[in-house]
Amino acid sequence: DADVTQTPRNRITKTGKRIMLECSQTKGHDRMYWYRQDPGLGLRLIYYSFDVKDINKGEISDGYSVSRQAQAKFSLSLESAIPNQTALYFCATSEKRSSGANVLTFGAGSRLTVL
Amino acid sequence: RKEVEQDPGPFNVPEGATVAFNCTYSNSASQSFFWYRQDCRKEPKLLMSVYSSGNEDGRFTAQLNRASQYISLLIRDSKLSDSATYLCVVNRVARAGGTSYGKLTFGQGTILTVHP
Repeated sequence: DADVTQTPRNRITKTGKRIMLECSQTKGHDRMYWYRQDPGLGLRLIYYSFDVKDINKGEISDGYSVSRQAQAKFSLSLESAIPNQTALYFCATSEKRSSGANVLTFGAGSRLTVL
Repeated sequence: RKEVEQDPGPFNVPEGATVAFNCTYSNSASQSFFWYRQDCRKEPKLLMSVYSSGNEDGRFTAQLNRASQYISLLIRDSKLSDSATYLCVVNRVARAGGTSYGKLTFGQGTILTVHP
């Protein structure tokens, strides 16, 4: 089994629908992240969490919300999906380090299409 | 100006060629640096860290120039399996809610295609 598992892997939905992307990890890492990837823009951080119930906004959090109810799970919600949220979404985890080499382990990605 | 910039390519090279990718970063407070590799439709995976003195891992050599805020990746004797997107990643210390953490910024990636 993968260390970081994302579900669903692919989803097509319509504008205005609520969507939840789930992420679970077996790494035992404290820190979890949600990124989105768009062609030509690289990976951009949406939200991150250092511990259960700890939530921090990333650079592009508008239109998204997250929940961290357990150490191993971090879910991303789009309350009312819009077409420009069509992207590849990655969940990632890392160990707790104050400053140094902050290596991320990524899930396989969730491809979301909003029509 | 983007915090991390890479030449997006694509770079098309024959097997056996040597190819180099460059990356510049704008924040002088950046502390650590990485190259990640991303295969088509897959997740990014750590290729190697970049150390101040430069470091090598088999056919891959990474260099850092802090004065010029510049990172490079050299691939020697390219293989077909090296075809991928290479992401330059820069880490600096940030704080959120009293907690220090390493904030990663990704470049947009450089596409490499190695052909027979």
